[in-house]
Amino acid sequence: QKEVEQNSGPLSVPEGAIASLNCTYSDRVSQSFFWYRQYSGKSPELIMSIYSNGDKEDGRFTAQLNKASQYVSLLIRDSQPSDSATYLCAVNEYSGGGADGLTFGKGTHLIIQP
Amino acid sequence: GAVVSQHPSRVICKSGTSVKIECRSLDFQATTMFWYRQFPKQSLMLMATSNEGSKATYEQGVEKDKFLINHASLTLSTLTVTSAHPEDSSFYICSANNRAQGGNTIYFGEGSWLTVV
Repeated sequence: QKEVEQNSGPLSVPEGAIASLNCTYSDRVSQSFFWYRQYSGKSPELIMSIYSNGDKEDGRFTAQLNKASQYVSLLIRDSQPSDSATYLCAVNEYSGGGADGLTFGKGTHLIIQP
Repeated sequence: GAVVSQHPSRVICKSGTSVKIECRSLDFQATTMFWYRQFPKQSLMLMATSNEGSKATYEQGVEKDKFLINHASLTLSTLTVTSAHPEDSSFYICSANNRAQGGNTIYFGEGSWLTVV
């Protein structure tokens, strides 16, 4: 059974600092990795997607993927109070011939302290 | 960017009645849509995969006769909760896969809060 593990937190980070969110997954054949941000009572919002080993940067966000270690992380630079939310790690086994639903972690609750 | 719309955003129904939730992809065709359920302070759990023109694929433990899924067109999937009970109260979220963008980017609808009283 596919599993995605995240520390539920809460993770408290001072405003302006770097927030580091981590995720591990169990299925070695996973090929697509996503970070979603979810505010309370709202639907998840896609922050980053990453498919290859290494780093991928988009504005203040950097996703890091290490398939050998089955580990994916998200760094948020210059954290803002508006970044306070639950961050969901999601994994997908995309074979190219079809699409499976995402397997989600339970999410990490991030609190940015002003 | 891609937009996925859900309706209604909130619904209250009486126990024993049925409720239909619609999921539409507004600017792309979605051969596959997904339905998730999220209980308070829990993660999203995949319920079923909705395939255009064919039967949905349900995850283990999800009753296909209770959660009816219809994907009659490339832009619309519906989830009907039949004979709803209070324990079915949850946040239901659909998503659609925009294959045209390459990779496997999945976009979520706004979600539908179902309360069964």
